[in-house]
Amino acid sequence: GQNIDQPTEMTATEGAIVQINCTYQTSGFNGLFWYQQHAGEAPTFLSYNVLDGLEEKGRFSSFLSRSKGYSYLLLKELQMKDSASYLCAVSDSNYQLIWGAGTKLIIKP
Amino acid sequence: TAGITQAPTSQILAAGRSMTLRCTQDMRHNAMYWYRQDLGLGLRLIHYSNTAGTTGKGEVPDGYSVSRANTDDFPLTLASAVPSQTSVYFCASSHRQSDYNEQFFGPGTRLTVL
Repeated sequence: GQNIDQPTEMTATEGAIVQINCTYQTSGFNGLFWYQQHAGEAPTFLSYNVLDGLEEKGRFSSFLSRSKGYSYLLLKELQMKDSASYLCAVSDSNYQLIWGAGTKLIIKP
Repeated sequence: TAGITQAPTSQILAAGRSMTLRCTQDMRHNAMYWYRQDLGLGLRLIHYSNTAGTTGKGEVPDGYSVSRANTDDFPLTLASAVPSQTSVYFCASSHRQSDYNEQFFGPGTRLTVL
C-alpha cells in the first residue's frame, strides 16, 4: 500500500529553527509537495522537490532523498504566524497526490 | 481573480437527505479534485476529473458522485447522506499539462450530517 508518515505534532520557540520530517512509500514517485494549512483554512503550496537535494525559499527549505523515501521541511527564524499544520504529499505513478495526515506545529513565545 | 470558490461554506444536513456541494474555478485548469479531510486522517481523494467530460474514482468514492460538464464546474453530490460523511470537503484544481501537479484549493465546505 501507499503510506506517508509525519509526526502528529511538534512544538518550537519563536525565533528558533524546526525540522518536520516526512517518510513515504508509494507506487511510483513524481515529486513531493509541502503545503501549509492554518486552522480552518485551505492548504496552500509551500514547496516542491523532484530531484535529490535542498530547495530554499526564504525562511523555508525542503530536502529530498529519493533513495531513502525521505523529505524534511526546515523552517528558520520562526514567527507566531508559522503556527499551522504542514502537509507532506507525494505525486504517485498516476500523478495523484497521496497525503500525509499533517504535522501540527505549535510556536511558543 | 477568485481562484476556486466553494458553496456552501457550511451545512447541517439530516441523514438520508441529498445535497450537492458546488465548486467553481476560473483558472482554466483542466484537472479538478474533491477531498475530504478528517482529524488525524489527512486529505483523502473522493473523485477527480482530468479534463471536462471525464471523471474517476479516488480512495473513498462510495456514497458520492460527480460530474464535469465544463472546465470550470465540478459539483459533488451526496445522494443519501450518512453521519460518517460529516467532514470538511475541499475542492482543488491543477494545470495538468506536465508532470508537475501543484494543486490549488478552495476554502472548503464544513458538512455535518445528523
